[in-house]
Amino acid sequence: NAGVTQTPKFRILKIGQSMTLQCTQDMNHNYMYWYRQDPGMGLKLIYYSVGAGITDKGEVPNGYNVSRSTTEDFPLRLELAAPSQTSVYFCASSLSRGSGYGYTFGSGTRLTVV
Amino acid sequence: QQQVKQSPQSLIVQKGGISIINCAYENTAFDYFPWYQQFPGKGPALLIAIRPDVSEKKEGRFTISFNKSAKQFSLHIMDSQPGDSATYFCAASMEYGNKLVFGAGTILRVKS
Repeated sequence: NAGVTQTPKFRILKIGQSMTLQCTQDMNHNYMYWYRQDPGMGLKLIYYSVGAGITDKGEVPNGYNVSRSTTEDFPLRLELAAPSQTSVYFCASSLSRGSGYGYTFGSGTRLTVV
Repeated sequence: QQQVKQSPQSLIVQKGGISIINCAYENTAFDYFPWYQQFPGKGPALLIAIRPDVSEKKEGRFTISFNKSAKQFSLHIMDSQPGDSATYFCAASMEYGNKLVFGAGTILRVKS
């Protein structure tokens, strides 16, 4: 049982480049999330999804896009990378609304934009 | 703006001591308050959680104290160990565990 798997673990991008951060889970969780973690700022919600085909913006969605074509996968797309997007990105999943079981996080992707 | 304010930013405790981390919130619609533990290079992991109808929850050496009227909750780590050295995040949710709002985190170091 792998849980939540994120790839890549590290990436350096040049300003203006684009990339996709991959996230997949094998727990049949309905809810999936993307957070970014910056020092001293905690985790900020970028996008979330309540099921295949349904996505919605979180607190800091600008510069990012997501899709959810399957229950398992929730990729995060960065278009026109900017230095402000230098961060550690975490994908997480949870069972369903009202479950209270908490999130399962992936191990993160450390992204540097130069 | 939904916010959860966490303090202190960092904490150093001697082995065997009590570590205390505090959080405060504004939104009375929050109905779920978890604490997450994060080790370097890893994602956060759920440590313990509480709902507002309970004033205290204990799991082993970890206790959440919840004060609904003051809109505050805290994590107490009893008999702190070097292996507890990590970053701790409090969080809150209006949807019983979904769309969590996180505090800024507390870096705990337990000295042996």
